[in-house]
Amino acid sequence: GENVGLHLPTLSVQEGDNSIINCAYSNSASDYFIWYKQESGKGPQFIIDIRSNMDKRQGQRVTVLLNKTVKHLSLQIAATQPGDSAVYFCAEFRSVYNTDKLIFGTGTRLQVFP
Amino acid sequence: EAGVTQFPSHSVIEKGQTVTLRCDPISGHDNLYWYRRVMGKEIKFLLHFVKESKQDESGMPNNRFLAERTGGTYSTLKVQPAELEDSGVYFCASSRKAGYEDTQYFGPGTRLTVL
Repeated sequence: GENVGLHLPTLSVQEGDNSIINCAYSNSASDYFIWYKQESGKGPQFIIDIRSNMDKRQGQRVTVLLNKTVKHLSLQIAATQPGDSAVYFCAEFRSVYNTDKLIFGTGTRLQVFP
Repeated sequence: EAGVTQFPSHSVIEKGQTVTLRCDPISGHDNLYWYRRVMGKEIKFLLHFVKESKQDESGMPNNRFLAERTGGTYSTLKVQPAELEDSGVYFCASSRKAGYEDTQYFGPGTRLTVL
């Protein structure tokens, strides 16, 4: 896939363990963040989002934590499964003058082994 | 509901040639975005359409890139003439309306290789 050859940070976990993927952002004014999962040959897929008025948000097996003081996001995946293997991106949402865009981080590759 | 579709999935062209990428957003989505990921870099914003209007094209690398959205439906991204550094994966995304209330849904991408 297009991620071959990229020097992405890699997290290797055993099936059934919990995974924590970290992300730092730069703009202290950002107030909306999204985590995307990208599997080989596919586009980024929405996982979970969080707004800056929250510190934590939970979904099914996933939790996102936001620390605005140090501008840090994390994605926690509980009971990691082989199907979770993918590249994970955090993204800041920026909306200015009726236009908006996503600012992506570099991504982390999650490898799940049996 | 069909997702965002992109065509072609892969394109291999020689330097100096022209390539046109197509994106069909989710039906009813006013907003359409183009992003790209070149080798070794993060996914970067190129431009944003609201219906047929270009709302923001600040991410377009240079005037070799031209995006259009005919009638506010599908969009095309033309690269003419293509250069080696244009190689990468081009993603299209759509959302129903602008603003952070709306998730951007991505297509599978077009992998462009310029030789």
